[in-house]
Amino acid sequence: QKEVEQNSGPLSVPEGAIASLNCTYSDRGSQSFFWYRQYSGKSPELIMFIYSNGDKEDGRFTAQLNKASQYVSLLIRDSQPSDSATYLCAVNGWEKSTFGDGTTLTVKP
Amino acid sequence: GAGVSQSPRYKVAKRGQDVALRCDPISGHVSLFWYQQALGQGPEFLTYFQNEAQLDKSGLPSDRFFAERPEGSVSTLKIQRTQQEDSAVYLCASSLYGASNNYNEQFFGPGTRLTVL
Repeated sequence: QKEVEQNSGPLSVPEGAIASLNCTYSDRGSQSFFWYRQYSGKSPELIMFIYSNGDKEDGRFTAQLNKASQYVSLLIRDSQPSDSATYLCAVNGWEKSTFGDGTTLTVKP
Repeated sequence: GAGVSQSPRYKVAKRGQDVALRCDPISGHVSLFWYQQALGQGPEFLTYFQNEAQLDKSGLPSDRFFAERPEGSVSTLKIQRTQQEDSAVYLCASSLYGASNNYNEQFFGPGTRLTVL
């Protein structure tokens, strides 16, 4: 079992819909959690991070963290075709980040 | 822009050759990470530097892999006697703080795509 698990997808949503991306992690001592977006052939870029239980909103993006359930999610509201990419969940431990394999999102016009 | 740069962007090596991959982090960034990303997978941690000190090399897959950051800025990842399974994208990332800082955003370079024939 990988330390960070994500549904590989592909996840397909229509333009304007809400996309929901999920991630679970195994290390209960993990402190901070990051969502990266990676376009095909490009390097990951940070969308947002969260470290406290609850929700954190940034524009169209909302990250949700539940440490008791070891679960973190990313909601994308009003999805746009430009949001089509692979979304990587990363969990920070001591001295390194552990990444999931990503969920591929396609937003159809 | 003063982002993370990597060179070369593409490298083709014959099996058994040695290769050296370079990373120029953002100026002033304390932490530097190397990751290996295979197609369809997330980045896999290789090694971590805090300034010039290599604090974690637990992800290096074999003793053919070696990394250094002698002056605490530029880093080189060297792979000796390359094998086909070494083919991947090698990503470098830097961050402002030491890795013990929980809010340590990592900025990634464009990566080096290594193909071993």
